[in-house]
Amino acid sequence: AQKITQTQPGMFVQEKEAVTLDCTYDTSDPSYGLFWYKQPSSGEMIFLIYQGSYDQQNATEGRYSLNFQKARKSANLVISASQLGDSAMYFCAMREGGGFKTIFGAGTRLFVKA
Amino acid sequence: GAVVSQHPSRVICKSGTSVKIECRSLDFQATTMFWYRQFPKQSLMLMATSNEGSKATYEQGVEKDKFLINHASLTLSTLTVTSAHPEDSSFYICSAGLGGGIYEQYFGPGTRLTVT
Repeated sequence: AQKITQTQPGMFVQEKEAVTLDCTYDTSDPSYGLFWYKQPSSGEMIFLIYQGSYDQQNATEGRYSLNFQKARKSANLVISASQLGDSAMYFCAMREGGGFKTIFGAGTRLFVKA
Repeated sequence: GAVVSQHPSRVICKSGTSVKIECRSLDFQATTMFWYRQFPKQSLMLMATSNEGSKATYEQGVEKDKFLINHASLTLSTLTVTSAHPEDSSFYICSAGLGGGIYEQYFGPGTRLTVT
C-alpha cells in the first residue's frame, strides 16, 4: 500500500533563509508522481511542484525545488529565500500509475519569522 | 491553470438535516472528481472517487448512505451529507481530474461545514 510520511509537524525559518521540508514515501508501483501542496489558513490547496518517478532531474519551480532521492524514497521540498507569505501548512502527496487518487502526508506547518 | 469551484464555502446546519455541497470544474470537463475531508490540523483524507455517469467508489470506513455523491455531468459533482451530526463538522475539499497526465488534478477552495 502506498504511504506518505512527513515527520516534521512544525518548522520555523527566518525570513530570507532556505528551509527543507521532509517527505518519505513507500510504494511498490514503479510509476508514480510526487507532489507538494501549500495550504494557507484560507484552506485552499495550492499546487507547488511535481516530480515523476522516471524524471532524471530534480523538479524546480521558482523558489521551490524538490530533492528527489529515489533509492531512499524521499522527496524533500526546499524553499529558498523564505518569505512571510510562505507561512502555511505544506503537504507531500503521491499518486501511483496514471491515476488521480492522491494520498497525502500528515503535513508540516511552516512558520516564517521576520 | 484550470479552475474548480465549490459552493457553498461555508455552511451551518442543524443536526439531523441534510446539506449539499457542489463541486464544479469551470473551464474543463472532469471525468473524475474526488472528495476529501479534513479535520482541524490534520491531513486530507480521501472519502470517495466520483466518475461521471457511474456510482462513486468509497474509501474504506466511509458510509456511502451518509455521504451521497452524484456526478451527473462532466462539470458537476455533488456531495450530500445526510442526517448530519456534529461529528460531521469538517472541511470538505473536492478535486477534479482533467484526464490524462499524472499531475493534472485541481482542487476546489473547500467547504467548511458546521453542524450544530
